[in-house]
Amino acid sequence: EAQVTQNPRYLITVTGKKLTVTCSQNMNHEYMSWYRQDPGLGLRQIYYSMNVEVTDKGDVPEGYKVSRKEKRNFPLILESPSPNQTSLYFCASSGKFRAHTEAFFGQGTRLTVV
Amino acid sequence: AQSVTQLDSQVPVFEEAPVELRCNYSSSVSVYLFWYVQYPNQGLQLLLKYLSGSTLVKGINGFEAEFNKSQTSFHLRKPSVHISDTAEYFCTVSGSQGNLIFGKGTKLSVKP
Repeated sequence: EAQVTQNPRYLITVTGKKLTVTCSQNMNHEYMSWYRQDPGLGLRQIYYSMNVEVTDKGDVPEGYKVSRKEKRNFPLILESPSPNQTSLYFCASSGKFRAHTEAFFGQGTRLTVV
Repeated sequence: AQSVTQLDSQVPVFEEAPVELRCNYSSSVSVYLFWYVQYPNQGLQLLLKYLSGSTLVKGINGFEAEFNKSQTSFHLRKPSVHISDTAEYFCTVSGSQGNLIFGKGTKLSVKP
């Protein structure tokens, strides 16, 4: 079954404690991205990756890092989380960069930073 | 730059009534439009998409949308809604970088 898998689904952490949210896709997609969803703001792109070892900033990259060492994985790293990063995070993948194809989304990770 | 405006943040409707969720876009380049749906506590899934061709696009679960270039709109419609259609709906345009630009969402609440 084609899917994007995020872990964990829920996470509560303290300010400043580094954390990683994993994302994996099984569709051999080149394009992967991370979004955060906040009430009334829709989804905003944090970072994206066009292929292995190629990443770039989205609209709200501050406070986040990503890496793309393998095609299937695209982890999101918060080096020093702060309360304003409390949000619902989604990983997505699609076939090719600029191909305007359907994006597949993970189930989401609800992060609370206290 | 591309942008998307969803004109209603919340739409309450009774079961079996018709519904229209409104979306306007702004784009200076070729337009690729999508509607995604988010059911409670789930990720987003594609309802339908417009890439080219017929301006009336049919999607899953009985939804359809009409691309109107002169009015820069891509409204989503369903002739008769069910309780199970309760969800948040996002109108989305594909940006020049191939990224997705989301509207702020419309929460559809279907009441019995």
